[in-house]
This record gives sequence, C-alpha cells and structure tokens, in this order.
Amino acid sequence: NAGVMQNPRHLVRRRGQEARLRCSPMKGHSHVYWYRQLPEEGLKFMVYLQKENIIDESGMPKERFSAEFPKEGPSILRIQQVVRGDSAAYFCASSATQVGQPQHFGDGTRLSIL
Amino acid sequence: AQTVTQSQPEMSVQEAETVTLSCTYDTSESNYYLFWYKQPPSRQMILVIRQEAYKQQNATENRFSVNFQKAAKSFSLKISDSQLGDTAMYFCAFIWVGAGSYQLTFGKGTKLSVIP
Repeated sequence: NAGVMQNPRHLVRRRGQEARLRCSPMKGHSHVYWYRQLPEEGLKFMVYLQKENIIDESGMPKERFSAEFPKEGPSILRIQQVVRGDSAAYFCASSATQVGQPQHFGDGTRLSIL
Repeated sequence: AQTVTQSQPEMSVQEAETVTLSCTYDTSESNYYLFWYKQPPSRQMILVIRQEAYKQQNATENRFSVNFQKAAKSFSLKISDSQLGDTAMYFCAFIWVGAGSYQLTFGKGTKLSVIP
C-alpha cells in the first residue's frame, strides 16, 4: 500500500545551486499539494496542482520557485539559485478529491543549504 | 483568512495517563473540516483524527478523541492511556469546504513528551 513517496529524503546544496524535490502521490490521487516547514513552525501551504495544471501557487515565492505535475511522472518542486533561507523541510501531500478529503503526507525532504 | 492557534508550545504526560491538547481557530465559514496531525521525531506527518464541522458527534479513533465546540471554535485532542510512542509534535489543521478550498492551515504545534 504505497503512500505518498518523496525523494530524496535529505538534500544538501550549496548556495546558488538548484534543488529538485520529487513527489509521487498515492495511487488514485490526482491532487498534489506542497508545504514548507521552517524549524519550530507548522506547515505553510505553497502550491496546489492537478495533472498538468497549477491551480494555486499563492503560497510560493514568485522568484526562484516553480512546480509542475506532468501527465506522466512525479510532481517536481524546483528551487533555483538556492539561498540559506531555503533550508527547510518540504512536504508533499495528495488527496483523492479536492474538498474535505484528508491530505496524506509524504515523509518530506529536508533541504540543507551550505 | 482562517487562523489556527495552539496555545501550548510544550506539554508532558506520564505514561498511561490522559492528556488534552488545545486548539482554537477563527473562520467565518460554516462548513469545514478539522484535523489533528502527529509528527514524531522521524518527521513524518501522520493523520490522527478528522472532524467534520456539520457533525455534532465528536470523532474518536481508538485512544484519540476530540472535543469539538463549534460555537466556541475550539477543537481539543484527548489522548487516553498515553504511550511512549505518542511522543511527537501535534498539529491542529483546518480546511474549509467550498470553491477554491484546498489548502490546510496549520497551527504552530504542541510538543508532547510522554514520560515513562
């Protein structure tokens, strides 16, 4: 019973490099959400996607961050030219429908910027 | 905008005892869902329990139950017979039901330590 799969579990990048975080939703789920968790904080919404569509990216910084959920393959959260402040845990969640159904989370990717 | 407040940054409880974690929220919506998520040291996010606002009956899930007070906008989590494995951060979360509804709003969390 595969849950939401995120990889890598840990990612280390130097300032200025690119970070790519991957998320495969639960089987049968077509709604994907990305959240960011800073140390000692709750999760903050970043972006909501359905297959081939970004529905809401209001929580995502306008520069350097992008997300996609192609027809085939996992959802990707991409951070270009990373800075120290990007260090955080990034969680992906998926749900079967949009409204009211629980969002099931992956184990997260911990991004560390040197 | 919806907000979720968890007023207890840290709590501790003796093993086998009962503990209650508080959560209040602010919304003008009448139809919504509330959740408690658990985040153990491994940092997974695990759904503990869900409450639908239109249901008056409090949700229960084995040793976990909620006290949902809609008028007071309160949603506390009670853990009975606490076990060492319950040690974790607990996050209260809210999502409203409607067009454009999809983002969970989380509180800042309560760190629960179960003491042997």
